[in-house]
This record gives sequence, C-alpha cells and structure tokens, in this order.
Amino acid sequence: GAVVSQHPSWVICKSGTSVKIECRSLDFQATTMFWYRQFPKQSLMLMATSNEGSKATYEQGVEKDKFLINHASLTLSTLTVTSAHPEDSSFYICSARADGTDTEAFFGQGTRLTVV
Amino acid sequence: GDSVTQMEGPVTLSEEAFLTINCTYTATGYPSLFWYVQYPGEGLQLLLKATKADDKGSNKGFEATYRKETTSFHLEKGSVQVSDSAVYFCALRDSSASKIIFGSGTRLSIRP
Repeated sequence: GAVVSQHPSWVICKSGTSVKIECRSLDFQATTMFWYRQFPKQSLMLMATSNEGSKATYEQGVEKDKFLINHASLTLSTLTVTSAHPEDSSFYICSARADGTDTEAFFGQGTRLTVV
Repeated sequence: GDSVTQMEGPVTLSEEAFLTINCTYTATGYPSLFWYVQYPGEGLQLLLKATKADDKGSNKGFEATYRKETTSFHLEKGSVQVSDSAVYFCALRDSSASKIIFGSGTRLSIRP
C-alpha cells in the first residue's frame, strides 16, 4: 500500500515551546489529511481535517490557535502544537488519502510528544 | 451522530485459539467498515474492509462480514498467533463524509 511518513517519531519539549510535526505522503498525492490524537489505551480522536490549499476544519473542542495545521502541498501537512503544556503530551497520528469517493486512508507511524 | 462500539479488552487467549472481537455501529446512510491494527509504538495499519452489506473482508487469516441487519462487523480468526498481539480498532466511514470514526479499540494478547 501507499506510504505515509510522519516525523519525528518522538519528541520531548519544554513547556511553553512550540513543536512541529510533519506528515508526508511519499508515493501519492494526498488531497485530504487528517490529524488524530490518541491518549494512552484509548481510541483515536479526530482533531482536524485539512484539504490542500485551504484552511483546516477542526472538530468541536479542538483549539485551532493551539494546534496549527498547514496543508500547503499535496504531499505535506504539518501540525504545530503552540505553547505546549504537559497536558498536550500524547500520541499524534496523521492520515492521508487521495482524491476519490472510496479511496483508502493511510496512516503515519505516529509521533509521541512529551512536554516537560 | 455516527458511532462505533466494540468489545472492551483486554482479551487474552492462548495460541491457536479462536478469536472474536465484536463490533457494532450506528450510522446514517451506507458506511464503509474497517478493521485497523496497531502494533506497540506504531501507527495504524488497515487490516481489512468491507464497503457494502454482506461483503466479507479478509486478510492474514482474519475475517469480518458486513451485516446490515444487525449493524455489526465482528472480527474473527480461527487460530491466533503470538504475533497477532496488538490493539484492534473497528471503524466506519460514512458515505457522505471523508472522515473515519473509530471504536475504542480492543487490546489482544496471545500467550505462547
């Protein structure tokens, strides 16, 4: 299947700093990308959906000023956690799919963020 | 809204045992149904899918049948292996939406 690469796979940062996570589709053009957050032993919660060249659509309860999403090209989306705090520590997973009504979504390997 | 309910874990089985993980869904329209698997420290991998009623998805010995009458998509495997130990997520994608909604996940542990 298609490959989605997420970078970094883990990051530790200090409270108050910002962290950027990249999600790349390596062998297809990702019209739509999704960002999920996963707490320990829990399911994936969709944070936002982004389409290339337009603003992301955030799910209810997700602060768009805190979780900045940019989808500037068909192969790259970034999630920036601004002014991170310990409660932002989590596993963040991106997903990408190509255009089409029934195309499969492919997932990155995830990024474990720890804010100290 | 749309939702997915799957059996809570953890589930612990001996190698070569029969596996069933129950999954039911609530959705308007005609969703596509999926099972994803997550190995420790990794992202999700699509295990199998079914896009319409009575379809059976299968992969790596796992099977699930799309049952519209019972709104279910139970995951089964006849003989599990230690390497099947992972977290399994049932999910749906509504026909009118692009986002995927996940169940809570079921942790499976297989004893040698």
